[in-house]
Amino acid sequence: GQQVMQIPQYQHVQEGEDFTTYCNSSTTLSNIQWYKQRPGGHPVFLIQLVKSGEVKKQKRLTFQFGEAKKNSSLHITATQTTDVGTYFCAATTSGTYKYIFGTGTRLKVLA
Amino acid sequence: DVKVTQSSRYLVKRTGEKVFLECVQDMDHENMFWYRQDPGLGLRLIYFSYDVKMKEKGDIPEGYSVSREKKERFSLILESASTNQTSMYLCASSLSSGLGSMDQPQHFGDGTRLSIL
Repeated sequence: GQQVMQIPQYQHVQEGEDFTTYCNSSTTLSNIQWYKQRPGGHPVFLIQLVKSGEVKKQKRLTFQFGEAKKNSSLHITATQTTDVGTYFCAATTSGTYKYIFGTGTRLKVLA
Repeated sequence: DVKVTQSSRYLVKRTGEKVFLECVQDMDHENMFWYRQDPGLGLRLIYFSYDVKMKEKGDIPEGYSVSREKKERFSLILESASTNQTSMYLCASSLSSGLGSMDQPQHFGDGTRLSIL
């Protein structure tokens, strides 16, 4: 079935370092959403990307949708301990009407 | 603020039991979803519904059924629980911008951690 590959699975960074997680698909995506799940919590919506090549920013977070709409990335500049959690992408393809979640990237930030 | 409420935070059941997980949302959302979350596998869609009495299979519907008799409530049923259904179950809802459209943020409940002994 359709898959969305997300890498890396884990990332440990020192506080202040940058972090990036990537989602890749073999098929063209309609849109992609990003979620953050804090330890012990539930996924919380961060942003949605719809257009080819779209770039959106939220403070230290930069989200990008690839030109071919087959990949996306989330980049965090100068990580803080509050960034700890698992980041998921979730994507739809044309006509499927459901989201496929990536396996998530668990981020640990060392103070 | 959107509130998605799952009936139990923790649940322990025995193999072969019929198990009901309930989910209620208070924002009049058309779309509702049931996922299970397992380490290393992310969130996998079990069933979703885009309207009352409408349901669609997700990626792993085997061993599960759902019921949506009212717009605000979406129930997940394990017909005969098995140990491989031990997992975290997450319910979500989203607004629809058109029948069956899925282009709005999903709002998740706190999850039910289900153990089948």
